[in-house]
Amino acid sequence: QQQVKQSPQSLIVQKGGISIINCAYENTAFDYFPWYQQFPGKGPALLIAIRPDVSEKKEGRFTISFNKSAKQFSLHIMDSQPGDSATYFCAASEKGSQGNLIFGKGTKLSVKP
Amino acid sequence: DAMVIQNPRYQVTQFGKPVTLSCSQTLNHNVMYWYQQKSSQAPKLLFHYYDKDFNNEADTPDNFQSRRPNTSFCFLDIRSPGLGDAAMYLCATSRAFVEKLFFGSGTQLSVL
Repeated sequence: QQQVKQSPQSLIVQKGGISIINCAYENTAFDYFPWYQQFPGKGPALLIAIRPDVSEKKEGRFTISFNKSAKQFSLHIMDSQPGDSATYFCAASEKGSQGNLIFGKGTKLSVKP
Repeated sequence: DAMVIQNPRYQVTQFGKPVTLSCSQTLNHNVMYWYQQKSSQAPKLLFHYYDKDFNNEADTPDNFQSRRPNTSFCFLDIRSPGLGDAAMYLCATSRAFVEKLFFGSGTQLSVL
């Protein structure tokens, strides 16, 4: 129940298209849901994060949609660019967990020019 | 301006030969974490420090140890590396728990 299930494993999108990555969880105590972006040979970097008191958060071309009742959240990348090609990890943690982020298995996104 | 610096970038060691990986931070963050990331997998938390308080994840092998001599530095010691310990080791920091993690670029460990 500590798992975060992420799909798809890989995604190919044309430049200008919308990339959508989905995550699902079981632990209702999770209250922080970040997305991290990782380029090859680099550490992950925080992209955007949401808490369950809102259903959507947008930062530039990146939007998190959060469905508390379904225990699902997703990342939407609008106007996808080749520079967005990276691996994306969703994650979750619960209050009092001492910061232990539970990561999804990652989605490798390729944006074709 | 790198804020979380890991050295070395690549480390090759022999089976069973102790190895130490280092991490330093210029952010003055309270929390420092060590993650293990194997190829095409998610990062897995090994342990963390909140200031000097150490917390070991339940499934972290005893072979892995850590030291934090001061706020800026943290070390990962692998006492007897096995072939299965070959991975990217990521250091991360945060100001407090459940806040943005700042990752270093990692140390890629190879075990021969």
